[in-house]
Amino acid sequence: AQSVTQLGSHVSVSEGALVLLRCNYSSSVPPYLFWYVQYPNQGLQLLLKYTSAATLVKGINGFEAEFKKSETSFHLTKPSAHMSDAAEYFCAVSDQGRSQGNLIFGKGTKLSVKP
Amino acid sequence: KAGVTQTPRYLIKTRGQQVTLSCSPISGHRSVSWYQQTPGQGLQFLFEYFSETQRNKGNFPGRFSGRQFSNSRSEMNVSTLELGDSALYLCASSMEVHEQFFGPGTRLTVL
Repeated sequence: AQSVTQLGSHVSVSEGALVLLRCNYSSSVPPYLFWYVQYPNQGLQLLLKYTSAATLVKGINGFEAEFKKSETSFHLTKPSAHMSDAAEYFCAVSDQGRSQGNLIFGKGTKLSVKP
Repeated sequence: KAGVTQTPRYLIKTRGQQVTLSCSPISGHRSVSWYQQTPGQGLQFLFEYFSETQRNKGNFPGRFSGRQFSNSRSEMNVSTLELGDSALYLCASSMEVHEQFFGPGTRLTVL
């Protein structure tokens, strides 16, 4: 069965500092991997996705993630945090071989950005 | 292009009642998925519809059901509401493989 583990339910960084949000996945087949962001009282917005092309994936708002098969990881990074990045971030996995509706999400990491 | 819309945005019900939530996907999207989000369990997949057929189902009791209409709009129904059904219910639509676009959600409170 597929699963996603996000290390750290809360991460706090200073404005301008590096953002690193960790995600490890478990999948018996090649996965598709996603990062979503959720602002308060809103739905989820797709930041980026890995679909077996390039291992380094660039997304919106300056975020990127690197797929490392040997480490079963898909960590999200941003070189310089902005106050507007404060939100909750979710890593998700889906099985390439199955229908597209079955995303498995991690528990989420709440990012705080200090001025 | 309009995004995914969900109605209503907020609902308050009492235990034992039933509720119907509505989702209108992005124009051209034929797949609609539903998720439940709670502080304790996080985001959990409920079911997916494609061309009016349920294609995939999560591990939820039969009180949770859904349907999709010919225009791809979808509804989900929860019967005999329990306190634990209080959650944010998110709908997502997709056209490309594995890329889902989420609506703002319906916040259901069961008293």
